[in-house]
Amino acid sequence: AIQLTQSPSSLSASVGDRVTITCRASQGFSSALAWYQQKPGKAPKLLIYDASSLESGVPSRFSGSGSGTDFTLTISSLQPEDFATYYCQQFNNYPLTFGGGTKVEIK
Amino acid sequence: QVQLVESGGGVVQPGRSLRLSCAASGFTFSSYGMHWVRQAPGKGLDWVAVIWYDGSNKYYADSVKGRFTISRDNSKNTLYLQMNNLRAEDTAVYYCARKNPSGAFLPDWGQGTLVTVSS
Repeated sequence: AIQLTQSPSSLSASVGDRVTITCRASQGFSSALAWYQQKPGKAPKLLIYDASSLESGVPSRFSGSGSGTDFTLTISSLQPEDFATYYCQQFNNYPLTFGGGTKVEIK
Repeated sequence: QVQLVESGGGVVQPGRSLRLSCAASGFTFSSYGMHWVRQAPGKGLDWVAVIWYDGSNKYYADSVKGRFTISRDNSKNTLYLQMNNLRAEDTAVYYCARKNPSGAFLPDWGQGTLVTVSS
């Protein structure tokens, strides 16, 4: 199974900050990677798929990049509603796997 | 709009069984692959199983293989997860999710149902 390692596991940031989260895969693949946002008590919400495609309705301050083993989620200007936990997920093959999550907290 | 509603969760003793259901509406259920994903309290997301749109293929996480069975009834627009020989480590919120046709990413999720395995 492909293992996904996210870093950092948590971060503190202020409104307006640029935030970058990294997802590293144990084996390379093209672009079959998605990013989700999850708030406490809620289901995950899809933000990015195919490594860099923005899901409909998701603000353009979210962007994704990468291929191979290294992928990145960037929030260009953090907003109050963005404080949440973020997960990467590979869908290159089964079993699907998720990263361990990155909790974005208010500084 | 797409709606997925899980049910069937509860408290169950180790070694016992439970069946979860996911009622789908707002889309042509028989055209979409479906997944179960779980999340233990305070932990991350953990993929459980997938079933093809017509039930022809199923895949499972190693941790549940041989104990859990995913199935669907397209005439009832319902997805199921039969969970046998439950263990304490199966305690989690279980989400059903709709697969995107072009790849196994998950645009639509239910609200989840909590399964607690405890004596």
